[in-house]
Amino acid sequence: NAGVMQNPRHLVRRRGQEARLRCSPMKGHSHVYWYRQLPEEGLKFMVYLQKENIIDESGMPKERFSAEFPKEGPSILRIQQVVRGDSAAYFCASSPAGQFDNEQFFGPGTRLTVL
Amino acid sequence: DQQVKQNSPSLSVQEGRISILNCDYTNSMFDYFLWYKKYPAEGPTFLISISSIKDKNEDGRFTVFLNKSAKHLSLHIVPSQPGDSAVYFCAARTDSNYQLIWGAGTKLIIKP
Repeated sequence: NAGVMQNPRHLVRRRGQEARLRCSPMKGHSHVYWYRQLPEEGLKFMVYLQKENIIDESGMPKERFSAEFPKEGPSILRIQQVVRGDSAAYFCASSPAGQFDNEQFFGPGTRLTVL
Repeated sequence: DQQVKQNSPSLSVQEGRISILNCDYTNSMFDYFLWYKKYPAEGPTFLISISSIKDKNEDGRFTVFLNKSAKHLSLHIVPSQPGDSAVYFCAARTDSNYQLIWGAGTKLIIKP
C-alpha cells in the first residue's frame, strides 16, 4: 500500500515562472492537506481539500497560490509568478474521512527553489 | 505569534540513555497534542499523541507527558537508539479545528 506520493521531489524555477506541485494521497484517503515549511521553522498549514472541494484555504496566500483536488487525479498546488520567498519545502498529507480523529500521513515533500 | 514552541533547536544524547524533548504552548484551547519524527528528505511521521484529558501516554520506548497547568509537554525516549536521530516536531490542535499548529522542531542526535 503506497504512502502519500509527491512529485516532483525537487523543483527549480526562476522568478516569475509557475510552479505546480502534485500530491497523490494514500489509497482510500479522501482528505488532503498542504503545508509549507520555511528553513528553521515548523510546518504551516496552507489548505485543506476534499475531492472537488476546498474546505479551508485560510493558510494560503490570497494571491498567486491556488489548490485543487479533482475527482480524478492528484491534488495540485499551483504557485503563479513565483518569488524568492516562495522557496520552501511543501508537504502534502492525507487522511481518511473524518478530519478530527484521524492521523495525517505525510508525503516526502517537494523542495521548491526560486532563483 | 508562536503558539507552539520548541526552545531547543538541537539535543545530543548518548545511546542507551534517556532523551527528553520539550514543547511549550500558549493556547489554552489546545486539547490534542502530537509528536512527529522527521528524517532528512522525508515527510514527518506520526509518533505518538496525547489528549488533554490525560497526562501521560506510553507506546513502547516513547512516552509523552502533558502538564496542562504549565502548558508544557515532553517526549521521553528510553533507551535512545541511533535510529532515533531525527528532527522531532511537536504539534497541537483544538477540539474543533483540524489545523495542526507546529513547533519549529528539535534535532535529536544520538551518539554511539
